[in-house]
Amino acid sequence: EDQVTQSPEALRLQEGESSSLNCSYTVSGLRGLFWYRQDPGKGPEFLFTLYSAGEEKEKERLKATLTKKESFLHITAPKPEDSATYLCAVQVTDSWGKLQFGAGTQVVVTP
Amino acid sequence: KAGVTQTPRYLIKTRGQQVTLSCSPISGHRSVSWYQQTPGQGLQFLFEYFSETQRNKGNFPGRFSGRQFSNSRSEMNVSTLELGDSALYLCASSSPDGHALNYGYTFGSGTRLTVV
Repeated sequence: EDQVTQSPEALRLQEGESSSLNCSYTVSGLRGLFWYRQDPGKGPEFLFTLYSAGEEKEKERLKATLTKKESFLHITAPKPEDSATYLCAVQVTDSWGKLQFGAGTQVVVTP
Repeated sequence: KAGVTQTPRYLIKTRGQQVTLSCSPISGHRSVSWYQQTPGQGLQFLFEYFSETQRNKGNFPGRFSGRQFSNSRSEMNVSTLELGDSALYLCASSSPDGHALNYGYTFGSGTRLTVV
C-alpha cells in the first residue's frame, strides 16, 4: 500500500534558525513528489514538484531535495511569514489527478 | 489570471440532506480533482475529472459523486449527509494537458461544510 509519512508533526523555530522537514514515501511507482504550504483557512499553495532521485529545487528560503525513499524541505533563515503547515504529496504512475498527502508539518517561526 | 474558485465558502446542512459544491478551474485547465480535508484524516482524494470524464476515484462511499461540464467547471454532490461529512472540501485544477508535473495542482480556498 502506498504511504507518505511526514516528520516532525510540528516544529517551532526562532527567526533565522534553519531546519529541515522530512517526507518519506513508499509507493509502487513514483510519478512525482509535490510540496505545498497551507495557511489556516486556505487551500494548499503549490511550492515544488520533484520527479527523480537527486533532483533539487529552490524558491526563496526553501529548498527541496529528493532521494529514492524520501524528500527533504530545507528552510534557510526562516522568517515569521514562513509559518504554515507544509504538506508533502506523491502521485503514483497511472493514477490520474490523485495526490496522496502526508499529514503535514506545522511550522511556527517566532521573531 | 483568476485562480480556482469554489462556491459557496461556507455551508451548514442538517443530517440527511444533500449538498452540491461548485468549482471553477483556472481558465484553460481541463482537469479538476476534489479532496476532503479533516483534522483526523488529513487530505483525502475523492475523484478527478478530465474533459467531462471521471478518470480516477478515491475510497469514498457512493453518496459522494461528481460531474464536470463542457466548460470544465465541476460540481460534487453529497447525498444523505452524515455528521462525519463535516470537512473542508477542496478542488484543484492542473495544466491544460491534464498533466500536473510541471505546474502542480492549483487549489481553491475550499468550501467549509458543517453538518449538524
